[in-house]
Amino acid sequence: EDQVTQSPEALRLQEGESSSLNCSYTVSGLRGLFWYRQDPGKGPEFLFTLYSAGEEKEKERLKATLTKKESFLHITAPKPEDSATYLCAVQAVAGGTSYGKLTFGQGTILTVHP
Amino acid sequence: EAGVAQSPRYKIIEKRQSVAFWCNPISGHATLYWYQQILGQGPKLLIQFQNNGVVDDSQLPKDRFSAERLKGVDSTLKIQPAKLEDSAVYLCASSPQGVNTIYFGEGSWLTVV
Repeated sequence: EDQVTQSPEALRLQEGESSSLNCSYTVSGLRGLFWYRQDPGKGPEFLFTLYSAGEEKEKERLKATLTKKESFLHITAPKPEDSATYLCAVQAVAGGTSYGKLTFGQGTILTVHP
Repeated sequence: EAGVAQSPRYKIIEKRQSVAFWCNPISGHATLYWYQQILGQGPKLLIQFQNNGVVDDSQLPKDRFSAERLKGVDSTLKIQPAKLEDSAVYLCASSPQGVNTIYFGEGSWLTVV
């Protein structure tokens, strides 16, 4: 069974204080690892997909990296508007023409204080 | 481009009552998903449709939950009878054919009292 564990559960940063969120996973065959951002009362918003170990993707102050067992979401010089829950999910290789389901972790609640 | 539309946004019902949620995916998206998100947890897949056929419903509590996607476009998720533990956000999502990025709606918040 696919499993995703995120740490820490909650992270409080001062504005400008860089840090990283961790996503550890086990999956039978990885098709993709996804990062989403979720604001209170909203649905998850897509950020990145990573496909193979060593891959990196960047968007503004966020950079996602992938190894064979875990992914990191690095946040550089965060601002209060980066406060949200960050969700990690894995998608296993599926047969046929459809893609497999996403299995999510529980999320990391990030709070950035001004 | 319009996003995934869901209604109602909020619903409060008593246990043993029934409720239905509606979802209209992004235009042209072949795959539609219903996820359940309990407070403090990540979303969990309930059912996945490819056009109007079911691909995965292994985690759908079929004694009380049902879902349909007639004509391969919009979808309805029904709960009957509801239990207290069904209190959650029900997220609808969709993805285009041949693309594995999934786009979520705002969710339908259910409180069972």
